[in-house]
Amino acid sequence: QKEVEQNSGPLSVPEGAIASLNCTYSDRVSQSFFWYRQYSGKSPELIMSIYSNGDKEDGRFTAQLNKASQYVSLLIRDSQPSDSATYLCAVNELTGGGNKLTFGTGTQLKVEL
Amino acid sequence: GAVVSQHPSRVICKSGTSVKIECRSLDFQATTMFWYRQFPKKSLMLMATSNEGSKATYEQGVEKDKFLINHASLTLSTLTVTSAHPEDSSFYICSAGGTGGISNQPQHFGDGTRLSIL
Repeated sequence: QKEVEQNSGPLSVPEGAIASLNCTYSDRVSQSFFWYRQYSGKSPELIMSIYSNGDKEDGRFTAQLNKASQYVSLLIRDSQPSDSATYLCAVNELTGGGNKLTFGTGTQLKVEL
Repeated sequence: GAVVSQHPSRVICKSGTSVKIECRSLDFQATTMFWYRQFPKKSLMLMATSNEGSKATYEQGVEKDKFLINHASLTLSTLTVTSAHPEDSSFYICSAGGTGGISNQPQHFGDGTRLSIL
């Protein structure tokens, strides 16, 4: 059973701080990793994708991947109240026609004024 | 970015009704689409993988006769919840990935369908 683990939170950070979201996965052969943001009552929205070890930055977001430790994280700099949402970590399982994703349970982030 | 359209966004109907949900990829061809179900404050649960031109692959515990999936073209997959009952009330979300073959392209999600069975 492939698993993706996340701390459910809530993670509370003050506005302007760095929010750090963590995820571990069990399948060593996974190659693609994704972070999705989901607002309450809405569908997930892709934030970041990362495929190789190291850091990948996009605006205020930085994804970090360590395949040896089977660990992927998402940093959000200068957190804003609008970042308050549930962040889902997803790990791929390659199928013949595309990606089959395994999702973590999500971490709820609250950015407080 | 890739756009996936899902319709309808909300359905409220009586027990015993069958409900069809459509998922369309608007700007790319999707040989594979995915159907998820999400209960309140829970994560997404993959129900089935929809394959264009062939039968869907259902996850363990998902009744294929209850949740009928049709993927007749490269841009459209449909999920029909047959004879829906209150326990089928949930948030149903579709997603689409890249074209055929092994792909690292991320999945993009439709806006979801909130199904309420009275």
